[in-house]
Amino acid sequence: NAGVTQTPKFQVLKTGQSMTLQCAQDMNHEYMSWYRQDPGMGLRLIHYSVGAGITDQGEVPNGYNVSRSTTEDFPLRLLSAAPSQTSVYFCASSPSAGGNTIYFGEGSWLTVV
Amino acid sequence: QKEVEQDPGPLSVPEGAIVSLNCTYSNSAFQYFMWYRQYSRKGPELLMYTYSSGNKEDGRFTAQVDKSSKYISLFIRDSQPSDSATYLCAMRGNNRLAFGKGNQVVVIP
Repeated sequence: NAGVTQTPKFQVLKTGQSMTLQCAQDMNHEYMSWYRQDPGMGLRLIHYSVGAGITDQGEVPNGYNVSRSTTEDFPLRLLSAAPSQTSVYFCASSPSAGGNTIYFGEGSWLTVV
Repeated sequence: QKEVEQDPGPLSVPEGAIVSLNCTYSNSAFQYFMWYRQYSRKGPELLMYTYSSGNKEDGRFTAQVDKSSKYISLFIRDSQPSDSATYLCAMRGNNRLAFGKGNQVVVIP
């Protein structure tokens, strides 16, 4: 029972580098989202998708891009990493946008130096 | 006023004690109320969810919702060291989902 799978788990980047955080779910969920979690800030929504081909911005979208070419995958791209993007990133999915059962991945710890 | 307020703690209790956690909210559109548990270096996992005002029990856990006061609570009875984690409240309604900042709980053996 894989659920929501995120890779990599840990990554160190230099300022200005780009990278992609991968997220895949095997539950055929329509709704997927990316959060970042910082001390004292809680979970903040970066981008979300209500289905393949549809994405939208969340609360803190600047510096991040997403795409949703399939139901299963929802990668998050950092275009030009900045130290302010040092954080823990969580991918989440749920059967629908209004669903109450939200499943989170294990997290990706990103450090930008 | 923030949409969801949750005291971050930390909260330390001896094993066997009752843990009481709560959140307040301001958005009347919230209809679904959830509690997530997050262990260190792990993703949040759904613990309980409720729809209406009142109590819901699941083993040692009780979720309580008071919509008139915009106040939700989570009680953990007979707390165990394995309950040591961060607990996040979450609320959903009118296509809006909001999380509390999380409350760290430490159960001391």
